Amino acid sequence: AQSVSQHNHHVILSEAASLELGCNYSYGGTVNLFWYVQYPGQHLQLLLKYFSGDPLVKGIKGFEAEFIKSKFSFNLRKPSVQWSDTAEYFCAVNVLNTDKLIFGTGTRLQVFP
Amino acid sequence: DTGVSQNPRHKITKRGQNVTFRCDPISEHNRLYWYRQTLGQGPEFLTYFQNEAQLEKSRLLSDRFSAERPKGSFSTLEIQRTEQGDSAMYLCASSLGGGDTQYFGPGTRLTVL
Repeated sequence: AQSVSQHNHHVILSEAASLELGCNYSYGGTVNLFWYVQYPGQHLQLLLKYFSGDPLVKGIKGFEAEFIKSKFSFNLRKPSVQWSDTAEYFCAVNVLNTDKLIFGTGTRLQVFP
Repeated sequence: DTGVSQNPRHKITKRGQNVTFRCDPISEHNRLYWYRQTLGQGPEFLTYFQNEAQLEKSRLLSDRFSAERPKGSFSTLEIQRTEQGDSAMYLCASSLGGGDTQYFGPGTRLTVL
């Protein structure tokens, strides 16, 4: 069965630190890849997505992610985090012969000023 | 606001009661999805619709669960004879078509006492 792994369950950073959140998926075929963010008290919002083309995708608020097909990875990065980035981050995969999203368990990011 | 809306936002019920949730997708979105999210986990797929047709149901969706989208617009999710294990956040999402970005609503938090 397809699965998504997010190895960092809880990350604590100071403002201006760099961020990298890991995401690996298990599926050998064609996938679409997503990062969603859930700010405290808010609903899931799309941060960025990869469908095809340039494997380095840029999203909102200075986030970017790199798709490395050989490693089945789609890690999320931000060079300098802000207190307002405190949220839960979910990686998700859409396997193209179905239409459901398969989510990882999420990474809780806390940024301290 | 033209995003996905869900009602009610919170529901507290006693074990054995029936509950029904409603989801209004973004207008003109053909696909509508239901997910369930429990504490510390990412959303898990339950079912989805293409217009009024229910195309896939997860094994998570027991016989006590039923979903409809009668006119291809809003959808309802009913849980009969609720159990404490049904306590979760129920999320609805919609997309233009298969493989497209899914946009999430705020969810309905169900607590079964």
